[in-house]
Amino acid sequence: QVQLQESGPGLVKPSQTLSLTCTVSGGSFSSGSYFWSWIRQPAGKGLEWIGRIYTSGSTNYNPSLKSRVTISVDTSKNQLSLKLSSVTAADTAVYYCAREDLWWGFWYFDHWGQGALVTVSS
Amino acid sequence: EIVLTQSPGFQSVTPKEKVTITCRASQTIGTGLHWYQQKPDQSPKLLIKYASQSFSGVPSRFSGSGSGTDFTLTINSLEAEDAATYYCHQSSSLPWTFGQGTKVEIK
Repeated sequence: QVQLQESGPGLVKPSQTLSLTCTVSGGSFSSGSYFWSWIRQPAGKGLEWIGRIYTSGSTNYNPSLKSRVTISVDTSKNQLSLKLSSVTAADTAVYYCAREDLWWGFWYFDHWGQGALVTVSS
Repeated sequence: EIVLTQSPGFQSVTPKEKVTITCRASQTIGTGLHWYQQKPDQSPKLLIKYASQSFSGVPSRFSGSGSGTDFTLTINSLEAEDAATYYCHQSSSLPWTFGQGTKVEIK
């Protein structure tokens, strides 16, 4: 069974860079045809897709965050990473990593990490 | 980007009742619509993919229907454990987007 686990600092100062890592266990990270996504959720609010990466390194980003986001992958460690620069309080949220699988031409999130709360505050 | 509008935003329901949640897309998305359940302090879990295909292990009381711009998630005979917020998600066109969520409370 695939498991995803987010990790990283829970507190980031305004204007700094938020960095998170997602470790994937249970196989399939580089052997399957999957995208790996980051999604965030401010407290009490809905879900916002940040971006995704294929194990080949190909990426797609949400235009609303594209200028500040970098997603990378380290297949040797079964990890994907998120960097979000110039953060403000509006970036305070629970950040999830999730796996995307494909069904009849449409991608969907079939496995999610437990989430990592990141607070932006001085 | 494609906007997904869910209704209602909140529903208070008695156990064994039927629940219907709708999701309307701002443009046609075929069947690229998926449903997730999120319980308090948990990550979302996939219920339905491709508008109507149940994900592995999901109870049969959950079903989905629709195509184009209008979609429905139905919970037949609601159980107490179904108290959660439900989200629709489209993967027809990047960026992926989610509905604003429907919170289902058990009376």
